[in-house]
Amino acid sequence: AQTVTQSQPEMSVQEAETVTLSCTYDTSENNYYLFWYKQPPSRQMILVIRQEAYKQQNATENRFSVNFQKAAKSFSLKISDSQLGDTAMYFCAFMKAGTALIFGKGTTLSVSS
Amino acid sequence: AAGVIQSPRHLIKEKRETATLKCYPIPRHDTVYWYQQGPGQDPQFLISFYEKMQSDKGSIPDRFSAQQFSDYHSELNMSSLELGDSALYFCASSLIGGYTIYFGEGSWLTVV
Repeated sequence: AQTVTQSQPEMSVQEAETVTLSCTYDTSENNYYLFWYKQPPSRQMILVIRQEAYKQQNATENRFSVNFQKAAKSFSLKISDSQLGDTAMYFCAFMKAGTALIFGKGTTLSVSS
Repeated sequence: AAGVIQSPRHLIKEKRETATLKCYPIPRHDTVYWYQQGPGQDPQFLISFYEKMQSDKGSIPDRFSAQQFSDYHSELNMSSLELGDSALYFCASSLIGGYTIYFGEGSWLTVV
């Protein structure tokens, strides 16, 4: 069975700084997808970024980028130029093709001014 | 763009009552997922449907059932409600073979 581990329950960062959230996963699959979802206080689940395992190039979406290390089964999220609106719970998630998402326990990120 | 629509957004029920949540997926999406998120927890997968057939099953209690209808909307039925069923219930949809799952805003269920 697949598992997703987020080892940082809470993180804090100042506005405009950079922060990296960690995620590791365990799977015997070769074809899968990885995601970071953001859940602000409104509790809406918002897709931040996604990565296909077969792609070596790390995904980037504006201020958000990932460091995908397939051999190490690591998938970290880097947030550059942090903003107050980035304050949220961040979930790392794994998906095998055609199946449901499996989430990690989440990391609460607080951005302060 | 159209999103996943869930109703009702908030629901209060008493113990042992029954609740039904509805989900309308993004147009042309053929797969629906249901998740339960308790306070301070990660979303837990309950069940999914593809083309109106159950495609995968997670940690869904026997008291819960779900189905997908011909118009692709889905309903989650929860009976004999317990206090521990109080949670945020998400519906999500995707295209089979697609690799992105889109979430609705969730339905808050409070059992008193």
